[in-house]
This record gives sequence, structure tokens and C-alpha cells, in this order.
Amino acid sequence: GAGVSQSPRYKVAKRGQDVALRCDPISGHVSLFWYQQALGQGPEFLTYFQNEAQLDKSGLPSDRFFAERPEGSVSTLKIQRTQQEDSAVYLCASRPGQYDYEQYFGPGTRLTVT
Amino acid sequence: EDKVVQSPLSLVVHEGDTVTLNCSYEVTNFRSLLWYKQEKKAPTFLFMLTSSGIEKKSGRLSSILDKKELFSILNITATQTGDSAVYLCAGTGTASKLTFGTGTRLQVTL
Repeated sequence: GAGVSQSPRYKVAKRGQDVALRCDPISGHVSLFWYQQALGQGPEFLTYFQNEAQLDKSGLPSDRFFAERPEGSVSTLKIQRTQQEDSAVYLCASRPGQYDYEQYFGPGTRLTVT
Repeated sequence: EDKVVQSPLSLVVHEGDTVTLNCSYEVTNFRSLLWYKQEKKAPTFLFMLTSSGIEKKSGRLSSILDKKELFSILNITATQTGDSAVYLCAGTGTASKLTFGTGTRLQVTL
């Protein structure tokens, strides 16, 4: 079946613009995660949803970052007033249930803030 | 704060060599250690290790976990150029999130 998909794959934003990144998890997957991966680094956790509930947002770096999953499937990560340090690859991952450990990743959105 | 450290940071080997990648972890309420392979796109899942001392194997790749020493290794035998990638190690506990290391960049040359 289809894997996790993300759009857009590439996004260039001018500093100060707002951006919205979309994640379509594997159909039926309960849990959804967002990670930020800077160049040469491992992914870093941003936030976690179980169905439509955002259970952990401890990794969001500032209040400019906002994520939602209103119907428990598609999720959007929004970044307001983008800054250069927001440039990174944003990865989305999903997993079947609440207690599984293996997460399946999408291809990521590469955000470049100029 | 949870922490995962991988070594070496990068490695260049010749095709046919055997490599060992290392991962040490400090994860609150540890549950599992996961290995992923990342080429120029999504990290792809390799192994999940929950129990100490039990080797998991898939073709030329194998991995084992030592929960006493908080350590895992990933072995790749008879390396091929297609094994060239970044190998990521991640720990997870009851908090659900994955805490990743920086990764080991492996380059396999002819």
C-alpha cells in the first residue's frame, strides 16, 4: 500500500513568510509524528498526535510552530514568520497503533528560508 | 534529557569489507532501540531491538542490543556500494517519540 506522503517536497520561503507543510500518513495509522532534521544531524522530535489529539508538543522550538490533525488523518505543520534557522528537512512519520514502536517515515519537505 | 550517540561519524570502506556501527543511548523508561537507513529521502526501517542479547538478522545486516551497557551495534558483512547511506540509531521509551543519534555516514567504494 501507499506509504507516508508529504507535500510540498521542496519549499523556498522568504524570511517572515508563513508556510504550511502537509503530511498524509499511512491509511489507518493512529499515531503521527513530526521531526525536524538539520543538515548533517539526526531527526529531532517536534510533536506527536494520537488520532486528532496532540499528546506531546514539547519539541516545538517556538510559538511560531503549530501543528494540527483535525480529523485524525492528514496533518499540517505551520510555521509563522519563518526565520533562517527554520531551514531544515521536516519529516513526518506514522505508526499503526498507540503502543507500537516502529515508525514509518515520509520523504520529507526541505524548507529553505532566504 | 534523552541522548543517543553514534560512532564513528563517518566511515569509508571497500566493497566486500565488514563494518560495525555503534550506538550508545540514555533514554528515560527505555523500551526499544531502532535502526534506520537514510539515503536521500525517507529513513527506512531496518531493525527494532527490545530484548538484550538477541541478535536480529536480515540478509547481510545484523544487530544486537546490550541493555546493561546501554549499547547496540549494527553489523554489515560483505558490503556493497548500495549500502552507502547514513545509518541512524534511535531510542524510544514510554514518551513515544524517537530520540535519534547524529548518524554514521557509510561510503562503500569499489
